[in-house]
Amino acid sequence: EAQVTQNPRYLITVTGKKLTVTCSQNMNHEYMSWYRQDPGLGLRQIYYSMNVEVTDKGDVPEGYKVSRKEKRNFPLILESPSPNQTSLYFCASSPKTRGWETQYFGPGTRLLVL
Amino acid sequence: AQTVTQSQPEMSVQEAETVTLSCTYDTSESDYYLFWYKQPPSRQMILVIRQEAYKQQNATENRFSVNFQKAAKSFSLKISDSQLGDAAMYFCAYRSARGGSQGNLIFGKGTKLSVKP
Repeated sequence: EAQVTQNPRYLITVTGKKLTVTCSQNMNHEYMSWYRQDPGLGLRQIYYSMNVEVTDKGDVPEGYKVSRKEKRNFPLILESPSPNQTSLYFCASSPKTRGWETQYFGPGTRLLVL
Repeated sequence: AQTVTQSQPEMSVQEAETVTLSCTYDTSESDYYLFWYKQPPSRQMILVIRQEAYKQQNATENRFSVNFQKAAKSFSLKISDSQLGDAAMYFCAYRSARGGSQGNLIFGKGTKLSVKP
């Protein structure tokens, strides 16, 4: 089954404790992206990657890091989480065909930083 | 920069009736994609329908159809024969066909749809 998976789905942590949210897709998509969703703000892009070893900042990159060492994986790293990073996080991927077309989303990771 | 506006934070529809959700966008580009995503209480983001800007024909997926007015930069979603399972947050989104940073998805803030039995 074609899908984007994220782990963990739920996470409670404390301020300053480094964490990684994994994202993996099995569709051989070139493009991957991370979003955060906050009430009243919709979805905002954190980082994106157009292919292996090619990453760039989105609209709200502060406090986050990413890497793209393999095509299928795009982990999101919070080196020193803070309470304002409490949010719902989505990973998404899409193929590079004509333009970048449809993005497919993972199930989301709900993060609470105390 | 492109923007997407959904002017209806909440809407309500009676089961089996028809409802239209509004979306407008701003862009100077001629080639792009528009999407409607549904987010039910499970929080999953589900693609409902997609429109390619170079196609004049409005997209249709079963009970879901769009009214794409390119000159007016309007992209409304019509849900026919509404069902209880249609209750969700609906997001309109824009994506340039140019790729690179211009190819990132830009979302509206969403419309919460309630369906009354």
